[in-house]
Amino acid sequence: QKEVEQNSGPLSVPEGAIASLNCTYSDRGSQSFFWYRQYSGKSPELIMFIYSNGDKEDGRFTAQLNKASQYVSLLIRDSQPSDSATYLCASPKGTNSKLTFGKGITLSVRP
Amino acid sequence: GAVVSQHPSWVICKSGTSVKIECRSLDFQATTMFWYRQFPKQSLMLMATSNEGSKATYEQGVEKDKFLINHASLTLSTLTVTSAHPEDSSFYICSAAGGNYGYTFGSGTRLTVV
Repeated sequence: QKEVEQNSGPLSVPEGAIASLNCTYSDRGSQSFFWYRQYSGKSPELIMFIYSNGDKEDGRFTAQLNKASQYVSLLIRDSQPSDSATYLCASPKGTNSKLTFGKGITLSVRP
Repeated sequence: GAVVSQHPSWVICKSGTSVKIECRSLDFQATTMFWYRQFPKQSLMLMATSNEGSKATYEQGVEKDKFLINHASLTLSTLTVTSAHPEDSSFYICSAAGGNYGYTFGSGTRLTVV
């Protein structure tokens, strides 16, 4: 089992809908999680990071972490065509350690 | 914020020559920097991890003599692709750890070897 898994995808939602992106992890010791967005041909950009159980909201984005179930998710409300990209879930083994990435989920928002 | 400047954005070089890519953290001290390579429609592949003042740690299968990494200061790391060949053509991305947002990526360098 990979340490960070993103098994669903690609995902297609209509404009204005909620997009739900999920990620599971196997290491119970994982403390922090990062969601990156990567447009085709560009480098990843940080969307959100989360350390604590529960929800963290930033604008249209909400990250959810459930350490008991070992999953982290990203919700995008009022999805826009500009949200169409690949979303990467990542977690480091320790502070400033290398990130372990999921394979990514490609989101397409239909106008 | 945390800003990482990477340049050049793109480079075309002749087969057999060397190319240097620079990665600078502009507003924080990057204790650790990471270098990735990404082929079209594929995932990021970590090449190496570098800490300021020490030798880089390369991932399995990455030739350390071909991909030279120098992390001479807390704000600068360089990747030199030596004796480049067409198969080295790829998108190279650096990432710096140590800022307020955990890990910040540079904008990437598209290398084409002809």
